[in-house]
Amino acid sequence: AAGVIQSPRHLIKEKRETATLKCYPIPRHDTVYWYQQGPGQDPQFLISFYEKMQSDKGSIPDRFSAQQFSDYHSELNMSSLELGDSALYFCASSSRDWGSSYEQYFGPGTRLTVT
Amino acid sequence: QKEVEQDPGPLSVPEGAIVSLNCTYSNSAFQYFMWYRQYSRKGPELLMYTYSSGNKEDGRFTAQVDKSSKYISLFIRDSQPSDSATYLCAMSQTSYDKVIFGPGTSLSVIP
Repeated sequence: AAGVIQSPRHLIKEKRETATLKCYPIPRHDTVYWYQQGPGQDPQFLISFYEKMQSDKGSIPDRFSAQQFSDYHSELNMSSLELGDSALYFCASSSRDWGSSYEQYFGPGTRLTVT
Repeated sequence: QKEVEQDPGPLSVPEGAIVSLNCTYSNSAFQYFMWYRQYSRKGPELLMYTYSSGNKEDGRFTAQVDKSSKYISLFIRDSQPSDSATYLCAMSQTSYDKVIFGPGTSLSVIP
């Protein structure tokens, strides 16, 4: 079965640079979630989108922005990168269609290293 | 205090043992409960998904939810070395809400 696709898988940036992470949800999933997982920590919710509209916002820095496009893929834009932004960034997707199972399925993650 | 508490382990068991993993939580609004398995540097893999209190079985895995005690459990029967991973309990208030994770329990199954 098709899974959530994230790109790139690994990204190395310098401080103050900009990074863009991409997420392609499971086909027919209409909701996308972004999570950040620091070293040795559990994933923390950043932001979510449903039908291309922001549906919830968590502990996402103002330096970060995200959007969901008409084909339901999502991009997380991170500017003025700091060393503390080094983490695994996961995208998850789910469906809100009636009769769907509603579970969130996670992608493999993008490992961002800021030097 | 975190919303979801979980013993981080590490937990080490011999192959074939029954493993019990547990989480407690403080927010009574949680209604959906999940267990994810995460191998090192990989994405969380959904193992079990349950709604409200009760039991759910899937193969070697059984999930239990006791909302009155704010306590959830995952049992793994006939544990295998391939089960060695970090197990994250997770929960949400609605079916489409963000998921709140526990800190995870590191499990090693020794051949």
